[in-house]
Amino acid sequence: EIVMTQSPDSLAVSLGERATINCKSSQSVLNSSNNKNYLGWYQQKPGQPPKLLIYWASTRQSGVPDRFSGSGSGTDFTLTISSLQAEDVAVYYCQQYYSTPFTFGPGTKVDIK
Amino acid sequence: QVQLQESGPGLVKPSETLSLTCTVSGGSISNYYWSWIRQSPGKGLEWIGYMFYSGSSTYSPSLNSRVSISMDTSKNQVSLTLSSVTASDTAVYYCARGGETSAARPIDYWGQGTQVTVSS
Repeated sequence: EIVMTQSPDSLAVSLGERATINCKSSQSVLNSSNNKNYLGWYQQKPGQPPKLLIYWASTRQSGVPDRFSGSGSGTDFTLTISSLQAEDVAVYYCQQYYSTPFTFGPGTKVDIK
Repeated sequence: QVQLQESGPGLVKPSETLSLTCTVSGGSISNYYWSWIRQSPGKGLEWIGYMFYSGSSTYSPSLNSRVSISMDTSKNQVSLTLSSVTASDTAVYYCARGGETSAARPIDYWGQGTQVTVSS
């Protein structure tokens, strides 16, 4: 089973500032045959299901604002919110879909400073 | 717009079987992988398993002996059964859509989730 870890557990950022969340997998999630990283990022607000933000580590889902970006490869990944907005307060999860069981990170809570 | 709605008992007694149904509207369940995922304060988001409309399924090893996912294409429904439940199975259960024809894809649609509590 691939274990996903995230850091930090939580962070508080001023409105308009950058927020950076890290995700690490215990094994590579890069498929060398197609050069794709099987890594997604989700946003979850209280009382709501998770929402897909990023897939293939860096591709934004349709309708997701471009202040959200994903980067990384292999075992180390980053989600960046370039200019934090009030509506971005949420918990963010990474997930690998490279091999079953598909596993999620423990989440990073983002708040306003 | 695809919508998923979970339904089922909110309270299940220990040692009994949990049964949930997900009704999909706005699209066919054919050609997609359908997952069940649960979320509890102690364990975070936990993938339970998925089924493809053809009938093939894969389950989490930690739950494999107790879980089953089935589909009814005529009703556009996906169902979950989890046997011999204990308090640690208390969670919000989500129905979710995965990839089209490939399992190795992210979840792009989620139901709102249904709280299931295991208690006598």
